[in-house]
Amino acid sequence: AQKVTQAQTEISVVEKEDVTLDCVYETRDTTYYLFWYKQPPSGELVFLIRRNSFDEQNEISGRYSWNFQKSTSSFNFTITASQVVDSAVYFCALSRPNQGGKLIFGQGTELSVKP
Amino acid sequence: KAGVTQTPRYLIKTRGQQVTLSCSPISGHRSVSWYQQTPGQGLQFLFEYFSETQRNKGNFPGRFSGRQFSNSRSEMNVSTLELGDSALYLCASSPATGKDGYTFGSGTRLTVV
Repeated sequence: AQKVTQAQTEISVVEKEDVTLDCVYETRDTTYYLFWYKQPPSGELVFLIRRNSFDEQNEISGRYSWNFQKSTSSFNFTITASQVVDSAVYFCALSRPNQGGKLIFGQGTELSVKP
Repeated sequence: KAGVTQTPRYLIKTRGQQVTLSCSPISGHRSVSWYQQTPGQGLQFLFEYFSETQRNKGNFPGRFSGRQFSNSRSEMNVSTLELGDSALYLCASSPATGKDGYTFGSGTRLTVV
């Protein structure tokens, strides 16, 4: 069975601190896709990144970076120099190529960045 | 480029009634998926439609149904509403397959009283 675990329910940091959101996944598939989404209070899920299982290169996009490690089945997300606008719930998700639009989400991590 | 549009934004229904939610995907996107989000269960996949056919289905009772029209717009219907159906219902669209990524709408917040 497939599963995504985000062990951190809530994280609170002070602005400009770095913060890492953990994501551990379970799947028997050799091909799969991993995602991170941000959900601000407005409710819309905002796409941040997609990774396929064959690409273990870390990625950096501005203050955001992602560390994908197949050996530990982890896909962690780091925000550098956090800002108040980063406050949101962040979801990690997994999908299988043969299951189209079915994303399996973790429970989410609520990040609060205080000024 | 317009995003994914969900209507209505908010809805209040009485137990036992039925409700229809609408989702207009991004132009050119052929896949539409629906999710239910509740504080207790989190984000759960309901079903996905691709080219007017249901391609995947989650573990929800038959009271939850959907359809997709030839213009890719999708509707989901919940019959005989229960209090537990109160949730944020999110729709996502994609060009075709999972590797293309999914764009979500702002959701419809359904309250059953």
